[in-house]
Amino acid sequence: GNSVTQMEGPVTLSEEAFLTINCTYTATGYPSLFWYVQYPGEGLQLLLKATKADDKGSNKGFEATYRKETTSFHLEKGSVQVSDSAVYFCALSNQAGTALIFGKGTTLSVSS
Amino acid sequence: ETGVTQTPRHLVMGMTNKKSLKCEQHLGHNAMYWYKQSAKKPLELMFVYNFKEQTENNSVPSRFSPECPNSSHLFLHLHTLQPEDSALYLCASSQERGPNQPQHFGDGTRLSIL
Repeated sequence: GNSVTQMEGPVTLSEEAFLTINCTYTATGYPSLFWYVQYPGEGLQLLLKATKADDKGSNKGFEATYRKETTSFHLEKGSVQVSDSAVYFCALSNQAGTALIFGKGTTLSVSS
Repeated sequence: ETGVTQTPRHLVMGMTNKKSLKCEQHLGHNAMYWYKQSAKKPLELMFVYNFKEQTENNSVPSRFSPECPNSSHLFLHLHTLQPEDSALYLCASSQERGPNQPQHFGDGTRLSIL
């Protein structure tokens, strides 16, 4: 079946550090891949997406590249800010259009 | 400012109570979803509605009963819940139900069962 695996958190970084949050997936066919972010006390917000192999999604300085050969969609940011502290969820949607399948989430904490 | 509004934000209820969660979206979307978010577990899809018709019930116990009177409103009726049902319940919507459709989430209702 379809599934998403994220690196365990929490991830603790200093401001301006480089961020990588690993995400790998298992799916039949060619899923669309998403990163969502959840700030404290709020719902999830779409951060970026990629719909086919080698696509790069980007938003607010975050990037992720759809790697079919390694079934991965790692999230990166070159210089994190305190305001980036949140929980990040990797998700996939398979070709059948079933609602999103999420990973467990990775908590990021950035200190000044 | 989210286009998906959930009420109430917090709810405490006993196991014998009956209550309802409400979700309203102002985005003109046609698909709506209920998710359950528990600590240290992935988000669990509960129900999917597409053009007011329920298209998925992800083996949810009958003590949870959804209702979708129109494409803008979604309810989750609760009765005789168990302590393990305490969680954050998130509503989401998308333009359509499809593989490339991003979902827009509300801020959730934090439910506590006494």
